[in-house]
Amino acid sequence: AQSVTQPDIHITVSEGASLELRCNYSYGATPYLFWYVQSPGQGLQLLLKYFSGDTLVQGIKGFEAEFKRSQSSFNLRKPSVHWSDAAEYFCAVKGGTASKLTFGTGTRLQVTL
Amino acid sequence: GAVVSQHPSRVICKSGTSVKIECRSLDFQATTMFWYRQFPKQSLMLMATSNEGSKATYEQGVEKDKFLINHASLTLSTLTVTSAHPEDSSFYICSAKPGGMNTEAFFGQGTRLTVV
Repeated sequence: AQSVTQPDIHITVSEGASLELRCNYSYGATPYLFWYVQSPGQGLQLLLKYFSGDTLVQGIKGFEAEFKRSQSSFNLRKPSVHWSDAAEYFCAVKGGTASKLTFGTGTRLQVTL
Repeated sequence: GAVVSQHPSRVICKSGTSVKIECRSLDFQATTMFWYRQFPKQSLMLMATSNEGSKATYEQGVEKDKFLINHASLTLSTLTVTSAHPEDSSFYICSAKPGGMNTEAFFGQGTRLTVV
């Protein structure tokens, strides 16, 4: 069975600082990997996804993520955080085209001015 | 990008009544729709997967008779919470997936259900 671990429940960074949110997955083959962002009381917005190919994936809002098979990781990064990035971030894994999406427990990002 | 509209965004109902939540894909045909439940400060838990024209597939532990799902068309799925109780209060989110191999699902904005 597939699973996702987001080790950090809550992270606080200063505006303008760099950000890295951790995500580790468990799946027997190459998974499909996603990062979503959720603002309070809202649905989820896709930031980026990895299906195959280049392991460094560029997303919206200046985010990127790198798939590292050897570490079973798909960490999300942003070089300079903006106050509007404060939200809940979810990493998710899908084991194939037909399987369901499994979410991590989320990381709440707080941005201080 | 693809848009999924979920309605209502908030609903308050009395205990014992039923409430229906709609999920519509506005600019694409959704062969598959998913319904999730999210408890405060927690992750999304998949409740069921529905394919147009067929019965929904429910996850283990989800009561089929309580959470009725109808995927009547390629652009509409509904979740009906029957005989709602306060413990059903939660945030419900749908997502819709176009057909094709490497397509991701798009999420609605969620529905906050409060049962009083």
